[in-house]
Formats: sequence, C-alpha cells, structure tokens
Amino acid sequence: DQQVKQNSPSLSVQEGRISILNCDYTNSMFDYFLWYKKYPAEGPTFLISISSIKDKNEDGRFTVFLNKSAKHLSLHIVPSQPGDSAVYFCAASGTGNAGNMLTFGGGTRLMVKP
Amino acid sequence: EAQVTQNPRYLITVTGKKLTVTCSQNMNHEYMSWYRQDPGLGLRQIYYSMNVEVTDKGDVPEGYKVSRKEKRNFPLILESPSPNQTSLYFCASRLQWGAGGYNEQFFGPGTRLTVL
Repeated sequence: DQQVKQNSPSLSVQEGRISILNCDYTNSMFDYFLWYKKYPAEGPTFLISISSIKDKNEDGRFTVFLNKSAKHLSLHIVPSQPGDSAVYFCAASGTGNAGNMLTFGGGTRLMVKP
Repeated sequence: EAQVTQNPRYLITVTGKKLTVTCSQNMNHEYMSWYRQDPGLGLRQIYYSMNVEVTDKGDVPEGYKVSRKEKRNFPLILESPSPNQTSLYFCASRLQWGAGGYNEQFFGPGTRLTVL
C-alpha cells in the first residue's frame, strides 16, 4: 500500500496561472516532506521542502503547504511558466532511522501551455 | 562539478545474464542509495548505504545486491536479471544519513534497463 499518493497523474495549466499539485500521505510518523522536479532523461532535482512543525514554506514562485491533520500537502507554482513543465514527485521521511529513507509518491506530470 | 554519475545510461540484456550498474559521486557524501522508477509507483528505494561497508535494504531489495567498498562508489548488481526488473534506475547521494530534517538527495541521470 502506497504511503504517499499523488492522485492526479497529470495537470495542464495556462502560462501565468497558478499550478496546484497535491499529495496525500498515510504514515503519521512522517515529519519531513519534499518536492522533486524531474525533466525527461534527467534525474530528479530537489525543489522545496517543509518540516512538520511548519504549515507553509515559500521559495520564490514555489510554495508548499502542509495540513498535518488532513495528512495533505500541496505545491503551488505562481505564476506558472512553460519551463515548469515536468514531472513532480512529493516525498516524505521520518525521524531517526526512518530518516534514511524517502518514500515517494507516483508523480504528477505538469504541462504549462504558452 | 558536483555530480552523481551512472553507467551505463541504457542497457538491454537477457534474462539471467549478470550485470552491474555503476554509480559514483564526487561530493564526499556518506549516504548513497538506489531507486527504481516505475509508472504510477514513483521512485522506490532498493538499497541504501550509510557509509563504507554499511548497507541496508530499502522497500524493494529482492533480486538486487549492492556493495560499498569505497565512499564514492555504490554499484548495483543484478545477479540473474528477470523481465520484472525492467525499469528506470536512479542512484542518489546525500551528505549524511539519519538527519531527519533536511534530506536533500542528489540524483544521477538514470539508467534505463530492459531485460528480455
């Protein structure tokens, strides 16, 4: 059973509008969450992260929101640009030895149309 | 340039023929790991290594072996590949293990393996 789920396999957005990518998790021991971005023929690259003690983290056009009670996080991209078109993975890790492993969601393919 | 490299990038092989995918990082990272990416399943961890001579199983270790004899290298070995190991494989490294906070991992470019 997947502990981290991204229920939307794809998302299409117009350039300049907001992109919202969602992620749900089931393991209450997760305490750190990350988003990775992946272009074709490349490895994933780190985008933004959030600790469970926060509910929001912002970095330029990217903002991650965490709702612990709902076990839900989202990534907002404003404004969206064509170069943002990629697959986005959310990932989670726990404390102690559980911090050795990252559990990934299935990914959401974002397409930003000019 | 700080990077994680993998070789080969593409490999087509046949069932049962042993193969090794190499992984090397030049960032002096302690922690290295292998993932496989399959459609709809995201990245799943195969094995990880917290330091030289220290390795442990991830979520999907069956059919794979690893070794960590040097800090910079972490090869993935498939002793007897089967078609269900056809996948996209990523090696990754991180400065330290067990740091429950900032877990940024740097990924290699991937190895696409097809087992016929």
